[in-house]
Order: sequence, then C-alpha cells, then structure tokens
Amino acid sequence: NAGVTQTPKFRVLKTGQSMTLLCAQDMNHEYMYWYRQDPGMGLRLIHYSVGEGTTAKGEVPDGYNVSRLKKQNFLLGLESAAPSQTSVYFCASSFPGRGGEQFFGPGTRLTVL
Amino acid sequence: QKEVEQDPGPLSVPEGAIVSLNCTYSNSAFQYFMWYRQYSRKGPELLMYTYSSGNKEDGRFTAQVDKSSKYISLFIRDSQPSDSATYLCAIPRNAGNNRKLIWGLGTSLAVNP
Repeated sequence: NAGVTQTPKFRVLKTGQSMTLLCAQDMNHEYMYWYRQDPGMGLRLIHYSVGEGTTAKGEVPDGYNVSRLKKQNFLLGLESAAPSQTSVYFCASSFPGRGGEQFFGPGTRLTVL
Repeated sequence: QKEVEQDPGPLSVPEGAIVSLNCTYSNSAFQYFMWYRQYSRKGPELLMYTYSSGNKEDGRFTAQVDKSSKYISLFIRDSQPSDSATYLCAIPRNAGNNRKLIWGLGTSLAVNP
C-alpha cells in the first residue's frame, strides 16, 4: 500500500515551458486535491476532484489545468510556466465524509527560472 | 479577517517542555477540527481530529476545542526532538459535496535536546 505518490519529486523549468505533475493513490479515494505551499502563504488549493471525470477550481486555479481520467490518478498541468509558479506542490486524497481526512503525497519541488 | 488564524512562530523549546499551539477561527458553524504535522520536506499527515467542543487525548498529545471562544489548541507533553515539525490546524468547510479544508499557516516548532 503506497498511499499517495507524486511524480516527479523535483523539476526545474524555464519560463514558458510546460509540464505535467502526476498524482496516484491506491486507497480507492473518491476525492483528490492539488495544493501549492509557499512560505508565508500556507497551503492553497489549486484544483480538486470529487470523482472520476470531474474537476473543480480551488482558490488559485489560474495558470493550471487538471484531469481525472482514472479514479486513482489526478494530473496537474502547467501550460506555460511562470516564475510565480515556483513552489512545492502537494497532492492529497480523501474519502467523502464529514471529517474528510486528507492523505498527502511527498510533494514536488518545482522551480521556474 | 481570515477564517482561520495561526501564529507561524517559530517556537523553540527545550526537550521535556509542554508545548501549546493555537488557532482561532471566525465561523461558529465549524464543527470538525484537525491538527496536521508536517516534517521538513514531507507532506502533512493527520495528527489529531476532534468534533465539536472538548478535549481529545492521544498519548502525549491533547487537542482542545473551545467553541465559545472559537479557539482550538494542541498541547504536547514531554516534548521530544522528534516533535520538531510544523503543526497546521485545518477545518473542513463542509459546504455542499466538497470537503475543502481551511488551513492555518502552520506553527514551526523546534524541540532542542
């Protein structure tokens, strides 16, 4: 049981390049989330999904796109990277329910030059 | 006013000290309260979870909720160097069918041997 895994762990991009971050979970969770974490800003929700084939915007969705083609995978895309997208990206997943404990992946450190 | 406020610290204590970490929140309708722990360069993990008011104890950790003051606390007894981490409070917004969490900024704790 690997939990939540993220690929890649580190990446350096040049401004304008594109990339996709992959999140996979093996806990059969319905909900999945993408966050970014920046010093002084805390965890901010980018996009989330409440089920296969569905996605929704979070607090800071601009410049990002997502897809949830399979229940276990949630992809985050940057079409044209900007230095402001330098951050640590976390994927999380959870079951629906009142508590909604979220299980996090190890993170992806992205630097955009 | 932010929905959840948390003093980012940093907090530095000697080994064996009692640590008090706190958050305040603005919405009296909130009912579930969580504390996550995040070690350096790792994803957050759920530490404790309480519902409504009162205390919940788990080993050296006690979570306390005071709904009348809209104040939540995490106490760590006999703190250890392994407790050095960032502690984040999180509250489910519980609106509709999503399970978005409102996050505090996190308090950085260092326990010195």
